[in-house]
Amino acid sequence: AQSVAQPEDQVNVAEGNPLTVKCTYSVSGNPYLFWYVQYPNRGLQFLLKYITGDNLVKGSYGFEAEFNKSQTSFHLKKPSALVSDSALYFCAVRDGALSNTGKLIFGQGTTLQVKP
Amino acid sequence: SAVISQKPSRDICQRGTSLTIQCQVDSQVTMMFWYRQQPGQSLTLIATANQGSEATYESGFVIDKFPISRPNLTFSTLTVSNMSPEDSSIYLCSVASGTGGTYEQYFGPGTRLTVT
Repeated sequence: AQSVAQPEDQVNVAEGNPLTVKCTYSVSGNPYLFWYVQYPNRGLQFLLKYITGDNLVKGSYGFEAEFNKSQTSFHLKKPSALVSDSALYFCAVRDGALSNTGKLIFGQGTTLQVKP
Repeated sequence: SAVISQKPSRDICQRGTSLTIQCQVDSQVTMMFWYRQQPGQSLTLIATANQGSEATYESGFVIDKFPISRPNLTFSTLTVSNMSPEDSSIYLCSVASGTGGTYEQYFGPGTRLTVT
């Protein structure tokens, strides 16, 4: 069975500092990994995905994520946080071995608070 | 990425009634999904709705409670039937974008439902 864990309910960082939002996963086959962001009263916005290839994936708004197979992790990072990055972040995984029939499974979400 | 709209954006309904949520996409897509996001919770997949076939429901969700229509490649509806306060949630439509099994999913803005 697939699962995603986001161990931190909330992450607090000061503006201009680097940020990391943690995610670990469990999947039987190949992990297809995704990050989404949800602003208040808005739907989810796609940030980035890892399918294969380079372990460091770059996405929207300056975010990047690093795939670590040995640690089964896919942490979201940004070198310099902005107050406008404050939002709810979701990590998600799909089993690539299941191709089109695989379901996207979401973590519980991490609230990022960036303070000026 | 696909542009997805949902109607209504929010509604307050009385218990025992039904609400139909519409999802419109600006391009033709094969795979569409309906999710529920209960207050303060993560996303849970209700069903997958592919054009030309019956919707596939996840464990805990049944067609009598959440009937889905998928009349063409740009439109779908989800009905929440015989509502109770426990159905108060955000309901999100999602579409798959990309080829093969490496697609990412995009989400509509959601429908915020409150049942009194």
